[in-house]
Order: sequence, then structure tokens, then C-alpha cells
Amino acid sequence: TQLLEQSPQFLSIQEGENLTVYCNSSSVFSSLQWYRQEPGEGPVLLVTVVTGGEVKKLKRLTFQFGDARKDSSLHITAAQPGDTGLYLCAGETLRFKLIFGTGTRLQVFP
Amino acid sequence: DTGVSQNPRHKITKRGQNVTFRCDPISEHNRLYWYRQTLGQGPEFLTYFQNEAQLEKSRLLSDRFSAERPKGSFSTLEIQRTEQGDSAMYLCASSPPWDRGSNEQFFGPGTRLTVL
Repeated sequence: TQLLEQSPQFLSIQEGENLTVYCNSSSVFSSLQWYRQEPGEGPVLLVTVVTGGEVKKLKRLTFQFGDARKDSSLHITAAQPGDTGLYLCAGETLRFKLIFGTGTRLQVFP
Repeated sequence: DTGVSQNPRHKITKRGQNVTFRCDPISEHNRLYWYRQTLGQGPEFLTYFQNEAQLEKSRLLSDRFSAERPKGSFSTLEIQRTEQGDSAMYLCASSPPWDRGSNEQFFGPGTRLTVL
């Protein structure tokens, strides 16, 4: 069974702080995606990483894919209240279905 | 709005009743997925269609669940004899043909089911 563990599960921080969310698995995925989900809405894709060791930046968000394509991290610099939400990593399998992580709920206080 | 749409957005039903949800994917997307998300968890894969063919079903999809995509466009997910454990958000996603070079899945807003 392919599982993705995310840590931490919950994160409450002040505006301006930095944070890192981790996504770990014992399985290799063809790609790994990060989503953000607002309450009552579907997940929205932030980034897809494909190559082992790949680093992608999206404004204040930095995503890294592990060399072995089993793990990933999301780093947010100078968090803002608008970053509040549920962050999900998802590994893509050979049949294109996504295996989602357990999620990290982020709350950024002004 | 050309995104994935789902109807209804909310459904409250009594245990034992049947419910049906509808998903309309992005028009040029031939791949369609159903996921289920319970409170505080990430979505779990239920089933996958390529055009009208149902290519994969999760073991989570018991005999009470059935999904169809008869003309390769919209899809329906039916739950028969609902149980309280079926209460969840049901998410639909679609993606373009694999030979377009993108496997990005675009999610709809979901249907929240509450079984009393």
C-alpha cells in the first residue's frame, strides 16, 4: 500500500514566520504534486515536481522533490494570513491516480 | 466558468436512502476521477474513467457504490442504501488526454454528503 505521511499535521504561526512542511513515503512516484484546499472547496494545484532533486519556486513558496522521488518539502517564507489553508501532497501512480498525504493544516495569525 | 462542476454541493439524506451525484468535467478532458475526503484527511481515490471506460476501482468502492460515464462526458456516482460512514466530501477531478503532456488534475468544489 502506498502511503504519504505529512508533518506536521497542524501548524499555527505568526505572520512573517517561515515554515516547512514535509511529505514522506516509502514508495517512488512518477511525480509529486502539492495542493492547497480551502474549507468547502476542492484542492487547487500549486506545483508539480517530476525530477529527483528538483526545486521549484512559486513566489514565497519553495518546493523540493527528493533525489529518490519518495519525499518532498514545501517551504514558505514570511507567511501571510492568506497562506492559511490545508496543504496536501499527492503522489502520482502509474495509472495517473493520486495518492494524497494526510494533510497539513496551516493557520497564520496577523 | 469552464472548470469542473459538481451537483449538488450539499446533500443530506437519511440512512438507507439512495443518492446520486453528478460531475461535469472540463470539456476537452477525457480522464475523470472520483475521490472521497473525510474530515481532517486527504482525499482517497475511488475510481478512474478514461472516456467512457472505467479503468480502475478502489477497494473502498463497495457494492453499494457505482459510477458511470456513459458518453465519456459527465459522470455520476450513486450510493445505494447509504450508511452514516458514507458521510464525506465527494470530489471529482478531470485531466486532459495523457498525450497532451500534462497529468494535472483539476478538482471540482465537491459534494458534501451527510447521512443522518
